[in-house]
Amino acid sequence: QKEVEQDPGPLSVPEGAIVSLNCTYSNSAFQYFMWYRQYSRKGPELLMYTYSSGNKEDGRFTAQVDKSSKYISLFIRDSQPSDSATYLCAMSTMGGFKTIFGAGTRLFVKA
Amino acid sequence: GAVVSQHPSWVICKSGTSVKIECRSLDFQATTMFWYRQFPKQSLMLMATSNEGSKATYEQGVEKDKFLINHASLTLSTLTVTSAHPEDSSFYICSARTSGGDTDTQYFGPGTRLTVL
Repeated sequence: QKEVEQDPGPLSVPEGAIVSLNCTYSNSAFQYFMWYRQYSRKGPELLMYTYSSGNKEDGRFTAQVDKSSKYISLFIRDSQPSDSATYLCAMSTMGGFKTIFGAGTRLFVKA
Repeated sequence: GAVVSQHPSWVICKSGTSVKIECRSLDFQATTMFWYRQFPKQSLMLMATSNEGSKATYEQGVEKDKFLINHASLTLSTLTVTSAHPEDSSFYICSARTSGGDTDTQYFGPGTRLTVL
């Protein structure tokens, strides 16, 4: 079993839709949770960062962490064609040596 | 947010030559830097982890003599692909880690596309 599971998609939605991206994990020691966005042929860009559990909102993006279920989500409201990219979840433990990445979900937002 | 640069952004070289890629954290000191490789439509594959002043830790299956990593300072790491071959053609991405308190995250460089002819 992988430490972090993420559906690779692709996920195709119409413009304006609410997008829900998810990851599950098995290591209960994870404390730091990140979401990255990667456009084709570019390096990943940090979108959201959450320490421990709870919600965090930034513009159209909301990150949620449910540690009891070992489940994290990224919601994108009013999705735009420019949101079309691969979204990677990532997590690490306190003092941990490595960050573990999900496989990435490819998102297509159709105009 | 923190900025990580990579140079060059792309390089084409002949088989058998060596290529050096630089990774710099521009506005912060990185406790650790990482090197990844990514093939088209695939996720990141961690190649090695480097800490300033110490030897890099390579992932299983990554040849340390082929992919030389030097971490000269808290803001600079280099990856040298020695005697490159066409199968080494890939997208190489570095990241720099910053941690402390409730912060522990990685910032990625823009990537370097290597094509070996």
